[in-house]
Amino acid sequence: DAGITQSPRHKVTETGTPVTLRCHQTENHRYMYWYRQDPGHGLRLIHYSYGVKDTDKGEVSDGYSVSRSKTEDFLLTLESATSSQTSVYFCAIKGLAGGLTDTQYFGPGTRLTVL
Amino acid sequence: AQSVTQLGSHVSVSEGALVLLRCNYSSSVPPYLFWYVQYPNQGLQLLLKYTSAATLVKGINGFEAEFKKSETSFHLTKPSAHMSDAAEYFCAVRTAYGQNFVFGPGTRLSVLP
Repeated sequence: DAGITQSPRHKVTETGTPVTLRCHQTENHRYMYWYRQDPGHGLRLIHYSYGVKDTDKGEVSDGYSVSRSKTEDFLLTLESATSSQTSVYFCAIKGLAGGLTDTQYFGPGTRLTVL
Repeated sequence: AQSVTQLGSHVSVSEGALVLLRCNYSSSVPPYLFWYVQYPNQGLQLLLKYTSAATLVKGINGFEAEFKKSETSFHLTKPSAHMSDAAEYFCAVRTAYGQNFVFGPGTRLSVLP
């Protein structure tokens, strides 16, 4: 257990509304990631963070923003949700297992439906 | 740029049969390779990882994978499938000097009684 929680676990919202998803970790990991999972695409990186206030874009960042004001929390915001953002969202942290041999550990996911 | 392909979006095997899930990667530098498993409505769980030590890597639940540089492959195998192995499996790659992971599209494994 890497101590990762996501909230909410399920959310239904309407097109055009703002949505914020929260990822919380308890083990002080530096790197945190947001992915979306869609059938046939595997996991695609939205944004990641390499420290407090340090974030960067991933493969599918359009329409998403992130913030990290504390080590333990990484927030993903959809400023104006669209139906194409209906997906399952996973948060991950990168834990250290000696040198460069670190590994990602995942949260339980948030299922978001945009109507 | 790194990429991962997984041949076969859906694989079916009989209980007790060999499981073989294919993963090929492209990377311009030595890769670190991972297999994850996802059970329905759950997050991803690490099965095993290759980090440039032994080329044959053993993971949890009886799975293993072999890194073959000449074939740029990291196929996942299990000698005898169990009903509880039914899940989706993802291969992922990360470079030794990068911080990001690239995932394949996944292979759904069904185990038939």
